[in-house]
Amino acid sequence: NAGVTQTPKFRVLKTGQSMTLLCAQDMNHEYMYWYRQDPGMGLRLIHYSVGEGTTAKGEVPDGYNVSRLKKQNFLLGLESAAPSQTSVYFCASKQISETEAFFGQGTRLTVV
Amino acid sequence: AQSVTQLGSHVSVSEGALVLLRCNYSSSVPPYLFWYVQYPNQGLQLLLKYTSAATLVKGINGFEAEFKKSETSFHLTKPSAHMSDAAEYFCAVSEGTASKLTFGTGTRLQVTL
Repeated sequence: NAGVTQTPKFRVLKTGQSMTLLCAQDMNHEYMYWYRQDPGMGLRLIHYSVGEGTTAKGEVPDGYNVSRLKKQNFLLGLESAAPSQTSVYFCASKQISETEAFFGQGTRLTVV
Repeated sequence: AQSVTQLGSHVSVSEGALVLLRCNYSSSVPPYLFWYVQYPNQGLQLLLKYTSAATLVKGINGFEAEFKKSETSFHLTKPSAHMSDAAEYFCAVSEGTASKLTFGTGTRLQVTL
């Protein structure tokens, strides 16, 4: 079982470039989340989804878009990257009836 | 909105000493509370969770935490630190119908010889 897989693991972008981070889970979980982790700030929720075709804003959604076209995938897009989006991004998923969320290994993004 | 406060961004203990990492939360309803551990360049791994059953929760690697409603606390302890415990620890509370996690700012645990 792969669990939650994030692609890519590392990326360097120039300011203004766009990219998409992919999160895939093989546990048939309904809920999926994108968090960003910054030093001294813990993890903050960017966007989340409670099921295929649904998305909602979290605490820090500006500059990001998401899509959940398939239940197993949750995509995070940056249309025009800014240095402030330099961060480590974590995807997580959870089953409705369970309490534990499972996290991917993270994507380290640097915007120069 | 719920919030989580972790006192002490860095904690240093000697190997074999007691580990105490503090977490306080604010919540208007009985919460679900979690402790996660993050080793360098890794994702988050669940240590333990409180889900309104026993107030003393035992987790992996010898860690445990006690839920104290009167103090709105969920402190993490381990009787004897090991070098392999060096990591960053996050306390989190779950809220809302989508079970979104709100994290504290983390505590980096250093274990010295």
